[in-house]
Amino acid sequence: DIQMTQSPSSLSASVGDRVTITCRASQRISTYLNWYQQKPGQAPNLLIYTISSLHSGVPSRFSGGGSGTDFTLTISSLQPEDFATYYCQQSFSFPFTFGPGTNVDVK
Amino acid sequence: QVHLVESGGGVVQPGRSLRLSCAASGFTFSTSGLHWVRHAPGKGLEWVAVIWYDASNEYYADSVKGRFTISRDNSKNALYLQMNSLRVEDTAVYYCARDWGVGATFIDYWGQGTLVTVSS
Repeated sequence: DIQMTQSPSSLSASVGDRVTITCRASQRISTYLNWYQQKPGQAPNLLIYTISSLHSGVPSRFSGGGSGTDFTLTISSLQPEDFATYYCQQSFSFPFTFGPGTNVDVK
Repeated sequence: QVHLVESGGGVVQPGRSLRLSCAASGFTFSTSGLHWVRHAPGKGLEWVAVIWYDASNEYYADSVKGRFTISRDNSKNALYLQMNSLRVEDTAVYYCARDWGVGATFIDYWGQGTLVTVSS
């Protein structure tokens, strides 16, 4: 199975900050890397698929990048509604696996 | 718009069975793969299973293989998860989720989840 790791596991930031989260796969996964946002008590929402494609309705302050085994999610200017947990996920092979999550909270 | 509604969760004793359902609307059900994903209290998301749009393929997480079975009824726009030999560690919110393609692309929409509690 492909293992996914994320760093940091949590971070504290202020509105307007630029935030970057890193995700690493245990083997090369081509472009099959997706990012989800989850708020407490809610279902996850797709933000970005295939490394850098923005899902419909997702603000342009979110962007994704990377290749091979190393990927990033960047929020260019953090907004109040962005405080949440972020998960990367590989869809290169089954079982699909998620990273452990990065919690972004208020500084 | 895509709408997924899970049901069937509840409290069950270890070793017993439970069947979850997911009612879908707002998209062409018979051409979409479907997944189950769970979120245990205090933990991260865990992918559970997927079924192809035509039920020709199924895949499972190692943690549920041999105990859980995913199925679908395209005539009813319904997805199911039969859970047998339940364990305390299966306690989680279970989400029904749509695949962007036939079953092996990525999850693009999620239901609101149903809580399964396994406890004696």
